Amino acid sequence: GAGVSQSPSNKVTEKGKDVELRCDPISGHTALYWYRQRLGQGLEFLIYFQGNSAPDKSGLPSDRFSAERTGESVSTLTIQRTQQEDSAVYLCASSLVGGGAADTQYFGPGTRLTVL
Amino acid sequence: RKEVEQDPGPFNVPEGATVAFNCTYSNSASQSFFWYRQDCRKEPKLLMSVYSSGNEDGRFTAQLNRASQYISLLIRDSKLSDSATYLCVASGGSYIPTFGRGTSLIVHP
Repeated sequence: GAGVSQSPSNKVTEKGKDVELRCDPISGHTALYWYRQRLGQGLEFLIYFQGNSAPDKSGLPSDRFSAERTGESVSTLTIQRTQQEDSAVYLCASSLVGGGAADTQYFGPGTRLTVL
Repeated sequence: RKEVEQDPGPFNVPEGATVAFNCTYSNSASQSFFWYRQDCRKEPKLLMSVYSSGNEDGRFTAQLNRASQYISLLIRDSKLSDSATYLCVASGGSYIPTFGRGTSLIVHP
């Protein structure tokens, strides 16, 4: 079956431009997560959705970052006025239940963002 | 203090060796634990869940020690294809599963 998909797979942008990253979770998965992974580093949690609500936005690094989810499905992560330090792989994951339950997260292939 | 801590390694072992990784977690409310594998420039993928009684999947064995708040992963008869970063995850103490930064394994001929 279809897994988690993300688009674009690669994005090169100029400093100061806005970018929008998309995640399509596995159909029926209630929970959706965004992470950032800089080169050679671990996963940095950004935001979590339960349905269309985001009970935890604590990981968003600044007000330039925002995310939404609609139809309990697709999610978009928007970065405004990109900076070079935003360069990283942005990973999306979904899970069936979320909310602290012991369910497996399935990751998308990520979007590699390069800010020049 | 990070909630989930792992030795970053790298662990450099020859083919056929047995290697073990530990991971400690600080949130005593954590209820579920997992090991993920991440290959270079790829997304993490579930390797195995960690049950209270321990579990084994072929050459891989995972153990949980709640008293000492650590989980372990043992890999027997290492293969070149086992080279990857192994991520430890603790879940259940909050909404968010907490990932460790990973342990790098390099298996050489």
